Amino acid sequence: DPKIIQKPKYLVAVTGSEKILICEQYLGHNAMYWYRQSAKKPLEFMFSYSYQKLMDNQTASSRFQPQSSKKNHLDLQITALKPDDSATYFCASSPTGGPSAETLYFGSGTRLTVL
Amino acid sequence: GDSVTQTEGLVTLTEGLPVMLNCTYQSTYSPFLFWYVQHLNEAPKLLLKSFTDNKRPEHQGFHATLHKSSSSFHLQKSSAQLSDSALYYCALSDWSNNRIFFGDGTQLVVKP
Repeated sequence: DPKIIQKPKYLVAVTGSEKILICEQYLGHNAMYWYRQSAKKPLEFMFSYSYQKLMDNQTASSRFQPQSSKKNHLDLQITALKPDDSATYFCASSPTGGPSAETLYFGSGTRLTVL
Repeated sequence: GDSVTQTEGLVTLTEGLPVMLNCTYQSTYSPFLFWYVQHLNEAPKLLLKSFTDNKRPEHQGFHATLHKSSSSFHLQKSSAQLSDSALYYCALSDWSNNRIFFGDGTQLVVKP
């Protein structure tokens, strides 16, 4: 059974619209992350949360907003979508998120296409 | 700041030949180094990791030695298998933050 669930697996959106990418993890981890993978930048860090608090933000645009309603949830809201946002978005988790050699566990990704 | 460099974008090998994927890094603080592997249409997953100088972790026939003197963490395997074809990412974190930096990745293609 997958321990990190991302929904939907595929998503097609029109330019200017808004979408929410869902992520739930059942590993009992306290840290969650969003990464983006596209042809231009292979695996790019976006956000990290630890104990439901934003720890790090590498996304310049405010169009990307993480939302953590529960400890094991970290959704990603994207507004005013652009074709350049087309990518696979990976959710990941780790035990605590503290500076360490913790392993990241990735979900299977949401492939977003913006037309 | 922290960064990871993988010089090869694509490595093509014949099955049975040795594999070496290069990774060098820059880190202000004592680093943790990782290799992640991503097979086609799958999520990245950890292959091996190290934070101890000159130690050689191994997994699934792959090994990598962290050399702090040369800031390198090259991935090696003595004999490539067809199933090793995948995208390999070298990654770095350190004591100053909880962000893991990934290199650009090396696509390994193993041919019969």
